[in-house]
Amino acid sequence: AQSVTQLDSQVPVFEEAPVELRCNYSSSVSVYLFWYVQYPNQGLQLLLKYLSGSTLVESINGFEAEFNKSQTSFHLRKPSVHISDTAEYFCAVSVVDSSYKLIFGSGTRLLVRP
Amino acid sequence: DAGVTQSPTHLIKTRGQQVTLRCSPKSGHDTVSWYQQALGQGPQFIFQYYEEEERQRGNFPDRFSGHQFPNYSSELNVNALLLGDSALYLCASSLTGENYEQYFGPGTRLTVT
Repeated sequence: AQSVTQLDSQVPVFEEAPVELRCNYSSSVSVYLFWYVQYPNQGLQLLLKYLSGSTLVESINGFEAEFNKSQTSFHLRKPSVHISDTAEYFCAVSVVDSSYKLIFGSGTRLLVRP
Repeated sequence: DAGVTQSPTHLIKTRGQQVTLRCSPKSGHDTVSWYQQALGQGPQFIFQYYEEEERQRGNFPDRFSGHQFPNYSSELNVNALLLGDSALYLCASSLTGENYEQYFGPGTRLTVT
């Protein structure tokens, strides 16, 4: 079975400061890795994904995540956050099979303060 | 290009009742997955439909059932509602062969009283 752990339920940070949201996963088979963002009263939006290749993946709005196989981690980072980044962030894995069902962590609330 | 749409937006039901939620996938997608997101938690996979059949199912009781229509839209039915069924129900669509790329709808907020 697969599982995802997001140790930090909430991360408060000041605007323009760097941030790291931690994600660790457990799986005995190959998985793909994802970060989704959820703004209040909205659905999930894909932020970035790791399928294969370079272990560092980037999003269009300045976030990046690095796949570390030995530590089974996929931490999300941003060098300088904005107020608009305030949201719930979910790390997820999907098993490489026909359905690619997503298994989510419990989420981390990023709270950016002015 | 319309994204994933879900209806209704909000729903209030009484314990023991039955509910039907609806989802229209993103244009060009043929696979629909349903997730339940309880308050303060991450979404949990309920099941996935492809070619009008349930392809895979998560750890949910038989009270949860679904259907996919020839136009790829889908319904989620929940019978004998319990208070614990109160949650945000998310629909995600994808294209077979690229099911790792799932696009989510805004969700239906179900409250069971």
